Amino acid sequence: AQSVTQLDSQVPVFEEAPVELRCNYSSSVSVYLFWYVQYPNQGLQLLLKYLSGSTLVKGINGFEAEFNKSQTSFHLRKPSVHISDTAEYFCAVRRFYSSASKIIFGSGTRLSIRP
Amino acid sequence: DTGVSQNPRHKITKRGQNVTFRCDPISEHNRLYWYRQTLGQGPEFLTYFQNEAQLEKSRLLSDRFSAERPKGSFSTLEIQRTEQGDSAMYLCQVWGYNEQFFGPGTRLTVL
Repeated sequence: AQSVTQLDSQVPVFEEAPVELRCNYSSSVSVYLFWYVQYPNQGLQLLLKYLSGSTLVKGINGFEAEFNKSQTSFHLRKPSVHISDTAEYFCAVRRFYSSASKIIFGSGTRLSIRP
Repeated sequence: DTGVSQNPRHKITKRGQNVTFRCDPISEHNRLYWYRQTLGQGPEFLTYFQNEAQLEKSRLLSDRFSAERPKGSFSTLEIQRTEQGDSAMYLCQVWGYNEQFFGPGTRLTVL
């Protein structure tokens, strides 16, 4: 079975400051990794994904994440945040090479940007 | 354009009533997932279709929940004899070869 832990339920940062949202996962098999964003009153949107290859993955809106297999982590980063980045961010995993594989989500991190 | 529409967007019902939600992918996607999301939590897997075949159901899904995808395109999720604990956002997600989309969700409130 897979599980995802998002270590911070809320992260307040000042505008233009850097941010890191932490995600750790647990799995006995290889997994795909995802970050989703949910803006207020909107649906979930894929930010970025790690399937294979380079461990540094770039996504939309200037976000990037680094896969660290030894630490089973997939932390999300942005060097300079904007007010418009205020949202809930979800880390998720999906089992590798399985035709019937569900996505397991973390409980989310609420990013609030202060002017 | 999220690639997926869900109807209704909001549903208020009384305890014990049946409700049905619909998920319509805009284009063909062979995999379709249903999730439930409660306040302050991440989406929780309910069930999954590969084309019209329902391949997996969560153990959390009681017998009151049923889902169909009769032609491998749209899908319906029915909840019978609703309970207050069913109040949540119900999300549909579709996957194609190299893309995935979430619908905007249906917010269910059971009074």
